[in-house]
Amino acid sequence: GQNIDQPTEMTATEGAIVQINCTYQTSGFNGLFWYQQHAGEAPTFLSYNVLDGLEEKGRFSSFLSRSKGYSYLLLKELQMKDSASYLCAVRDRDYKLSFGAGTTVTVRA
Amino acid sequence: TAGITQAPTSQILAAGRSMTLRCTQDMRHNAMYWYRQDLGLGLRLIHYSNTAGTTGKGEVPDGYSVSRANTDDFPLTLASAVPSQTSVYFCASSLTGDTGELFFGEGSRLTVL
Repeated sequence: GQNIDQPTEMTATEGAIVQINCTYQTSGFNGLFWYQQHAGEAPTFLSYNVLDGLEEKGRFSSFLSRSKGYSYLLLKELQMKDSASYLCAVRDRDYKLSFGAGTTVTVRA
Repeated sequence: TAGITQAPTSQILAAGRSMTLRCTQDMRHNAMYWYRQDLGLGLRLIHYSNTAGTTGKGEVPDGYSVSRANTDDFPLTLASAVPSQTSVYFCASSLTGDTGELFFGEGSRLTVL
């Protein structure tokens, strides 16, 4: 099974940087994913890491350390539209995704 | 392109009644999933299907059943609803069963009284 931990809430100022940490314990690891979910809407895919290191995609970057069971999502140059929940998800040996409870990020002007 | 469509958007249901949540995708994805989302618990997998004609149990399958008669449709049935099944239900699909990029529907909010 999976045990996925991420902070419940974070607040940051427009234009700033925010780092959302995710730690996991898993019986089998096959990749880590980040999804974004705006209030009342469906989750949408943001990023995917299967090897250690940093993956950059525009203002968003995701990092993975498999030996530490640790990932983070870095949001740069924050915009008001980035206010949302960010879901960390781990794929197991059966290729099924388990999700953390999500981190709600509030961007203030 | 519609992507993935769920119906109904919301529903209030009396305990003990049955209910089917519908899910249709037009992306020709092989794999489909049903998740429920509850505050503080995140998304939990109920059932999945890697290809038409096959289904599997997820983390929280009890009280739910699914079928996959064709590629496009993946209905979720609650045979006898209970209040603990009050939740937001998301249907999702992926190109194959081993890809992690899921495409989600807009969700169905179900309240069981």
